[in-house]
Formats: sequence, structure tokens, C-alpha cells
Amino acid sequence: DTGVSQDPRHKITKRGQNVTFRCDPISEHNRLYWYRQTLGQGPEFLTYFQNEAQLEKSRLLSDRFSAERPKGSFSTLEIQRTEQGDSAMYLCASSIADGYEQYFGPGTRLTVT
Amino acid sequence: AQSVTQPDIHITVSEGASLELRCNYSYGATPYLFWYVQSPGQGLQLLLKYFSGDTLVQGIKGFEAEFKRSQSSFNLRKPSVHWSDAAEYFCAVGITGGGADGLTFGKGTHLIIQP
Repeated sequence: DTGVSQDPRHKITKRGQNVTFRCDPISEHNRLYWYRQTLGQGPEFLTYFQNEAQLEKSRLLSDRFSAERPKGSFSTLEIQRTEQGDSAMYLCASSIADGYEQYFGPGTRLTVT
Repeated sequence: AQSVTQPDIHITVSEGASLELRCNYSYGATPYLFWYVQSPGQGLQLLLKYFSGDTLVQGIKGFEAEFKRSQSSFNLRKPSVHWSDAAEYFCAVGITGGGADGLTFGKGTHLIIQP
């Protein structure tokens, strides 16, 4: 068990650019979640996958955000036309299909200049 | 919709003293409750969880929490804190029904340990 991994750990981009983050869940974990955490706040749920199916999206997930989990393993989160308000820590978590504990990765810190 | 309140933004405790971090939740049924800890620049580590059964749950690093339905609370405790416990602590609630929705987190309590 190597834990949840995320890449990159840090990303600095200019406003208007597109960025993509990757999350590798714990192997055999069928559920994968994305959260966003801004300074001084708790994580906020964005979306989640059961295997390759994206089953829920928060209203926080604007049209500029898209997430995929094509083979039910790793997932990507893309932000198009980034805005300064997108600056945050993006956290990925995974859990087993019928369990409820979510295990979090170290996060990707995005800074939009 | 469910919500979580952590009334204390900052708490300062002397090393070796006891600790209690407060958490109140709002949810119409029995929720699943969690405490996570986050060190600077790191992801969240699960300390403990409550699903059902015994209302006093034990976690890692010597932490425990007690679920009190009548008070809608799930306070975290530790009898003697260590300097390494300095971190951000988050209480979270998950709804019943298979964990389909994401967790709802409180805003966190920043724990400072005085030598």
C-alpha cells in the first residue's frame, strides 16, 4: 500500500492557461474523490468517481473544470482558462467501494498569477 | 444539507496537558463522523472514525473521540499532548447511504503546543 499520490505537488500558472493534475489512488480502491482547499478553510468536495463513472459533481465544479478516470485507476482534473480564484490546494482521496474512510493524497498546490 | 462547526479557530495547549477539540454537526440522521489531521503543506491523515456502535472511539496517536447524539457533537480528546501534535485538525461528516457524497468538513482548529 503506497498511499494516494498526486502529481505535480506544486503548479504555478498564468491566468488563462490550462492545467491538469493527476491522482493515483490506493490500488483496489474503487472510489476516487476530488476536493479543493483554500487557505484557512476545510476541504470542499468537488466530484467523485465509482470506478470510471463520474457519479456526482458539486456546484463548485464550474464548466471550466473537468475530471476523468478513464480506466478506473488514476484520475485527472483539468482546469481550463484558469482564474486567480482557482488558486488552492487540490486534494484527491480514495476509498474502497463499500467503505467510508477516505484516504487523502498530499495535494497539488495551484497558484494562478 | 449537512454542516460541521468547529467553534475554536485556534487552541494553545502546553505540552503534556490534556486536549479537547470541539466539533458539532448538523444532519437529519446519524452521520458518519471523522477527524483528520493536516500538517503544513501536507494532505489529511485520518485519526479516527465513527460509524455506529460504541460512542467512544479510539484512534491513532493516542486520540479518542466521543459521539454524543443529544448534543450533535463529536469532540476529539487526548490526555497528554506532544509537540508533534501541533497541526490543523478537521472534523468531517459523511452522510448515510453508501458514502456516495463527499465529506463535509469544518473549517478546522489550529493547535499550537507551548513548550
